[in-house]
Amino acid sequence: DAKTTQPNSMESNEEEPVHLPCNHSTISGTDYIHWYRQLPSQGPEYVIHGLTSNVNNRMASLAIAEDRKSSTLILHRATLRDAAVYYCILRESGKSSGDKLTFGTGTRLAVRP
Amino acid sequence: NAGVMQNPRHLVRRRGQEARLRCSPMKGHSHVYWYRQLPEEGLKFMVYLQKENIIDESGMPKERFSAEFPKEGPSILRIQQVVRGDSAAYFCASSPRWDSGSNTQYFGPGTRLTVL
Repeated sequence: DAKTTQPNSMESNEEEPVHLPCNHSTISGTDYIHWYRQLPSQGPEYVIHGLTSNVNNRMASLAIAEDRKSSTLILHRATLRDAAVYYCILRESGKSSGDKLTFGTGTRLAVRP
Repeated sequence: NAGVMQNPRHLVRRRGQEARLRCSPMKGHSHVYWYRQLPEEGLKFMVYLQKENIIDESGMPKERFSAEFPKEGPSILRIQQVVRGDSAAYFCASSPRWDSGSNTQYFGPGTRLTVL
């Protein structure tokens, strides 16, 4: 399975943008890049996913490097509610092995008021 | 639309008892996944089920654990003869279809099992 590498922790100030990096140098051509987050004492929550092109939704933006070996989750204006562990996950398309989510250690984001 | 529902939210069992965890997927979802999060550890996949079928149980402990997703009713994760090491948060997720690369899994709030 392709692996991802994320910083253990990051800090941000409230209402400032946050860029959460993820390295996935062994990504294959059929791997989708997914981001989930887990708020304290809650279940994981889907944030965004993409394959090759940058993606935007109401929660965040996903910037994917041209060679796809890295990606960045962008929270445009961090709020206190965004304090969570953020997971970058690769999912292989078209194979049953891609069904399960393989969570790494993620990045713990702290937001300062 | 109701999200993924899990019950109970908290479950306390004594060693040797059985634990039954229930998961009702989102309406229209026929794929269910169970994950376990041990204290201070990450989430680990346990089992993937579709209606009446176990598709992938590669993450399930070989003994005492079983899962089902019957034609009618919720998915059940059953742990027999619980031990203290089973104390964890158990999360259920559901998705509407099989398209492993791009589909989204929606998680429930979890069941926190404590074994005394």
